Amino acid sequence: GDSVTQTEGLVTLTKGLPVMLNCTYQTTYSPFLFWYVQHLNEAPKLLLKSSTDNKRTEHQGFYATLHKSSSSFHLQKSSVQLSDSALYFCALSDLTRGSALGRLHFGAGTQLIVIP
Amino acid sequence: ETAVFQTPNYHVTQVGNEVSFNCKQTLGHDTMYWYKQDSKKLLKIMFSYNNKQLIVNETVPRRFSPQSSDKAHLNLRIKSVEPEDSAVYLCASSPGTGGNTEVFFGKGTRLTVV
Repeated sequence: GDSVTQTEGLVTLTKGLPVMLNCTYQTTYSPFLFWYVQHLNEAPKLLLKSSTDNKRTEHQGFYATLHKSSSSFHLQKSSVQLSDSALYFCALSDLTRGSALGRLHFGAGTQLIVIP
Repeated sequence: ETAVFQTPNYHVTQVGNEVSFNCKQTLGHDTMYWYKQDSKKLLKIMFSYNNKQLIVNETVPRRFSPQSSDKAHLNLRIKSVEPEDSAVYLCASSPGTGGNTEVFFGKGTRLTVV
């Protein structure tokens, strides 16, 4: 079945450094990938999405490229800020019933902590 | 800006009790969902509801049931709570049902079963 793997549970970085959060997926359908960010006690919010192979998508300084050849959609930022501290989820549209209905398979999440 | 509203924010109850959580979205979306976020922060779909079509995740116990009065409201009832039901329940909505549709989440209801 469909699945999403995020290998890092916790990433701690000093402000100003670059970050890459890994995301790989498994699906038998054409993939739709998302990154959601959840700040403490807040709702998860969409950060990025893509279904186009090898095209970089950007938002709020974060960027990701869907690579179908490697089934990856890693999230990157060139210089993290204190306000980037949050939980980041990679997600894949659930097409197992032939229609997505907006249902998402989430990875386990990566907690990013940015220190001064 | 929040447009998916959930009540209550927190709820503590004893094993065996019945609980009900409310959710309302003001985005005019046709599709609503319930997700469960456990103590390890894992997010898992429970239900999706679109045009009166309910799709249930097969791993959801039967004591859970969604209740919808109209497309802006989707409540969640748990008949007889168990300790493993302790989690944050996130309501969500989306404007469409395509693969790339954005899902908008509420802040969640934190349930603690003692």
